[in-house]
Amino acid sequence: DMKVTQMPRYLIKRMGENVLLECGQDMSHETMYWYRQDPGLGLQLIYISYDVDSNSEGDIPKGYRVSRKKREHFSLILDSAKTNQTSVYFCASSFWDRAGNTLYFGEGSRLIVV
Amino acid sequence: KTQVEQSPQSLVVRQGENCVLQCNYSVTPDNHLRWFKQDTGKGLVSLTVLVHENDKTSNGRYSATLDKDAKHSTLHITATLLDDTATYICVVGDRGSALGRLHFGAGTQLIVIP
Repeated sequence: DMKVTQMPRYLIKRMGENVLLECGQDMSHETMYWYRQDPGLGLQLIYISYDVDSNSEGDIPKGYRVSRKKREHFSLILDSAKTNQTSVYFCASSFWDRAGNTLYFGEGSRLIVV
Repeated sequence: KTQVEQSPQSLVVRQGENCVLQCNYSVTPDNHLRWFKQDTGKGLVSLTVLVHENDKTSNGRYSATLDKDAKHSTLHITATLLDDTATYICVVGDRGSALGRLHFGAGTQLIVIP
């Protein structure tokens, strides 16, 4: 069953608190991603992970860090959350074939920072 | 600067009507283009992928075209159903490997009314 699971789905935090968003996949995909989605904008890449402990910054990494200690699990951490980090966060995993990069997305984690 | 522009921003059609969604991009190189469907509050689900110059694909009531010279793609939805109500997102990949970047459009919000 090919699935990307995100937890929690909804989260409200106060400014300055730490946030942990977790993502799991059951497809043994090497590559995993964290994106954020804001109204009127395309998905923006925060971090990409090519495998365990092989992570690279995306386009908007400031204020975020990630952890990948197992291939099936990829975490996004916000140390001292800010109100402008209110967003919907999507995790994805991918495999490559002749058609390019096929992504599987989780259902998103909606974070509100007050 | 946004490299993937989608139009219209939103669209309302009656059930049973056909509709066409547009995607223009400036991404270079343009290895492949993928259309995703995103239901409200859900993750993105791939509909189709286009790889070659003047590629055409069909997936049930969804069909898509790609013109790499014009850097333009269209997604046609035939005989729309209420369940087609969603945001449709165009994504351009600049390489055929995990080292490439994916460039997301902001999406077209389609609403199908009875």
